[in-house]
Amino acid sequence: KAGVTQTPRYLIKTRGQQVTLSCSPISGHRSVSWYQQTPGQGLQFLFEYFSETQRNKGNFPGRFSGRQFSNSRSEMNVSTLELGDSALYLCASSLGLSLYEQYFGPGTRLTVT
Amino acid sequence: SQQGEEDPQALSIQEGENATMNCSYKTSINNLQWYRQNSGRGLVHLILIRSNEREKHSGRLRVTLDTSKKSSSLLITASRAADTASYFCATDARGTSYGKLTFGQGTILTVHP
Repeated sequence: KAGVTQTPRYLIKTRGQQVTLSCSPISGHRSVSWYQQTPGQGLQFLFEYFSETQRNKGNFPGRFSGRQFSNSRSEMNVSTLELGDSALYLCASSLGLSLYEQYFGPGTRLTVT
Repeated sequence: SQQGEEDPQALSIQEGENATMNCSYKTSINNLQWYRQNSGRGLVHLILIRSNEREKHSGRLRVTLDTSKKSSSLLITASRAADTASYFCATDARGTSYGKLTFGQGTILTVHP
């Protein structure tokens, strides 16, 4: 099976802009979780989607949003980018029925200037 | 705040030696997982241990879990230079699952050839 894919892999944006990141889960996986990784805060949970519904959300401002499509692919959007949003954004997929192992994609490296 | 705390923060050993990393967490959990990350790339799932298990093996990896002490350890035997990476423990706390893993800050392992 193909692994989790994320696009784009690298992105440079300017403060105030918005960005959309995409994640395609492993075939058959219905749950997609998103994480932000920074040197200062480490890995932090953003949100999780299962069957197009957000089931869980971390402590991030409303500028961070996401959605999931009927084919389980997911997107996350960050509006009004701030310098502190520079991070590695990772998505992970799992079967989602209970907390099975999560399989991570390679991440999208976002740099905000 | 991070649920899991790892110890040590950094570990430097020679090829062939064993590496032990420890993880502590704060709340009751369903499962604990260990992941490896190479140079800011995606996380690779290593092993999952359920809260009712005490020890699990996978190849050169041995994981123990002590729920009374809220701690886990990861032992890598006969280490190789290719094991050089950051290692993270991740927990799903009871009552807050649905795709949310809480990660520790990680242990940076360097294996010298």
